[in-house]
Amino acid sequence: GQQLNQSPQSMFIQEGEDVSMNCTSSSIFNTWLWYKQDPGEGPVLLIALYKAGELTSNGRLTAQFGITRKDSFLNISASIPSDVGIYFCAGLNMNRDDKIIFGKGTRLHILP
Amino acid sequence: DGGITQSPKYLFRKEGQNVTLSCEQNLNHDAMYWYRQDPGQGLRLIYYSQIVNDFQKGDIAEGYSVSREKKESFPLTVTSAQKNPTAFYLCASNPGQGGTEAFFGQGTRLTVV
Repeated sequence: GQQLNQSPQSMFIQEGEDVSMNCTSSSIFNTWLWYKQDPGEGPVLLIALYKAGELTSNGRLTAQFGITRKDSFLNISASIPSDVGIYFCAGLNMNRDDKIIFGKGTRLHILP
Repeated sequence: DGGITQSPKYLFRKEGQNVTLSCEQNLNHDAMYWYRQDPGQGLRLIYYSQIVNDFQKGDIAEGYSVSREKKESFPLTVTSAQKNPTAFYLCASNPGQGGTEAFFGQGTRLTVV
């Protein structure tokens, strides 16, 4: 079946550092979504990307939809303690079905 | 307020019992999904429904059943056939038919003792 490879699996950074994570796939998607999950809660949508090459920002977050439509990255600038959590990428191809495929997540830890 | 609601937040059941998890949305979304999340793991698709009275198996459907009798409701039953049911269960919805942003409920943590 379809798979998304998300990396890194976990990150340990100092407060104030920038963060970068990415997702790749062997399949083409026409939508990429990035979510953040806090412990014991449901994922919350951060950014949605709809067009190959699109670069979208949401505050300190920036995400890009790869030109090949098989990858996406998420950057967080100047990290703060509340950025701790698990970040998931998700791909969807509405021409095929409404099935949403998720990466396995990147767990972000911020060191004091 | 529009949203997607899962209940209960925590659920305990004895081994061998069936249990049903509730998921309700008032977003008028056509598509609804159930995912399972194990500690330190990603989201695995159990079942999804693109329209009322229709649903498809996801990657790990064995031991689970669903129904979609109403647009706003997509309950998940964890049956006694599910070998390892203790997990965090997440429901999501999406407008479907070209709408692409999916929104999640708060999750239900099921513990089988």
